[in-house]
Amino acid sequence: QSALTQPASVSGSPGQSITISCTGSASDIGNYKLVSWYQKYPGEAPKLMIYEDTKRPSGVSDRFSGSKSGNTASLTISGLQAEDEAEYHCCSYGGETTLVFGGGTKLTVL
Amino acid sequence: QVQLVQSGAEVKKPGASVKVSCKASGYPFSSHSITWVRQAPGQGLEWVGWISVYTGKTSYAQKLQGRVTMTTDTSTNTAYMELRNLKSDDTAMYFCARTYSGSFGSEFYLYYMDVWGEGTTVTVSS
Repeated sequence: QSALTQPASVSGSPGQSITISCTGSASDIGNYKLVSWYQKYPGEAPKLMIYEDTKRPSGVSDRFSGSKSGNTASLTISGLQAEDEAEYHCCSYGGETTLVFGGGTKLTVL
Repeated sequence: QVQLVQSGAEVKKPGASVKVSCKASGYPFSSHSITWVRQAPGQGLEWVGWISVYTGKTSYAQKLQGRVTMTTDTSTNTAYMELRNLKSDDTAMYFCARTYSGSFGSEFYLYYMDVWGEGTTVTVSS
């Protein structure tokens, strides 16, 4: 159960687009259509932003989108806003009824 | 509305045990499973384990096998996570989360967590 790999930090200016990558393996990301992404503010609970690789829950802004290629999933945030500044965590089904998370990426809106 | 309410902060000594509760409301408790996740200070989210409320089947993170037990009480719609023989690196915020999952054959696939508890701080210190 090795952790997924995310960049520690990304940044962008308001209005820009950013992409956060999440790299796993053929045993997790590459083998299932079960990547989810969570937004987390300090001291608060995580919030589901993307599930099943590309689906967006109702109530989540369409500025958030998910994609996947091979063993790497990505979260793209377009039209960056100050309120998007948070941590973003990817998660994948890892087989044998397990989940694996990435280390988290801190997004800074400049 | 759907919500998960967790028990309050805990301070424990190394070697002790802690039991965190997670009370569900606003949906049929047995219709979804529960995942537990923790976040140590300055670290990312870490999967602790999962329990099917309907079947009682559990799955735990390999590194915690033998120290963690997850249970549910359907009479009170409450899930529990007990961690024994606490170590200093168990210090973390522990979250429960409602989980969408599905079974195919003997395997349960864990899809995603859509509703989270507010978190319970567990501090392990001598």
